[in-house]
Amino acid sequence: DAGITQSPRYKITETGRQVTLMCHQTWSHSYMFWYRQDLGHGLRLIYYSAAADITDKGEVPDGYVVSRSKTENFPLTLESATRSQTSVYFCAATAANSPLHFGNGTRLTVT
Amino acid sequence: EDKVVQSPLSLVVHEGDTVTLNCSYEVTNFRSLLWYKQEKKAPTFLFMLTSSGIEKKSGRLSSILDKKELSSILNITATQTGDSAIYLCAVEVRGEKLVFGKGTKLTVNP
Repeated sequence: DAGITQSPRYKITETGRQVTLMCHQTWSHSYMFWYRQDLGHGLRLIYYSAAADITDKGEVPDGYVVSRSKTENFPLTLESATRSQTSVYFCAATAANSPLHFGNGTRLTVT
Repeated sequence: EDKVVQSPLSLVVHEGDTVTLNCSYEVTNFRSLLWYKQEKKAPTFLFMLTSSGIEKKSGRLSSILDKKELSSILNITATQTGDSAIYLCAVEVRGEKLVFGKGTKLTVNP
């Protein structure tokens, strides 16, 4: 039972480059989320999706784009990476009335 | 703005001690409160609380929700070094979204 798979696990990119973080779930949970985790801020919601083709902004969406053409995939794209986007990114999924389950995270460094 | 506050932010204890972690919240449209444990990787689920006053227990860990006081506590008895982690409290609001506190970093020394 793989659950949620994130790739890559680690990524170093340069300022201004586009980078996409991948997220795949082996369940068919309706809801998927992207969080970033930073020291002093905890986990903050970037974007979420209630179903395929339905996405909405979270607390810190600026500079990010998401899509959800298939239920099982929820990629997160940084269109033009900035140093402030250096963070650990977690993808998560849940069905209604169930706890949220997280992937193992992607550590992104923007130089 | 929805807000979840955890205290203390960090705690250092000795093996065998009992600890109590606190979580308070101010949110619109409360649905449930969840506790997670985070070691080196992803947060792992501990408890989901929806009803006030009903204790949930798993081994040495237990948790209870007080909706009147808008708070919850997580107790760990007879702590072990393996309990060292960041403990996250989160409140579920509408749309299955979770609002997280900043976490309590627990260090258990042998």
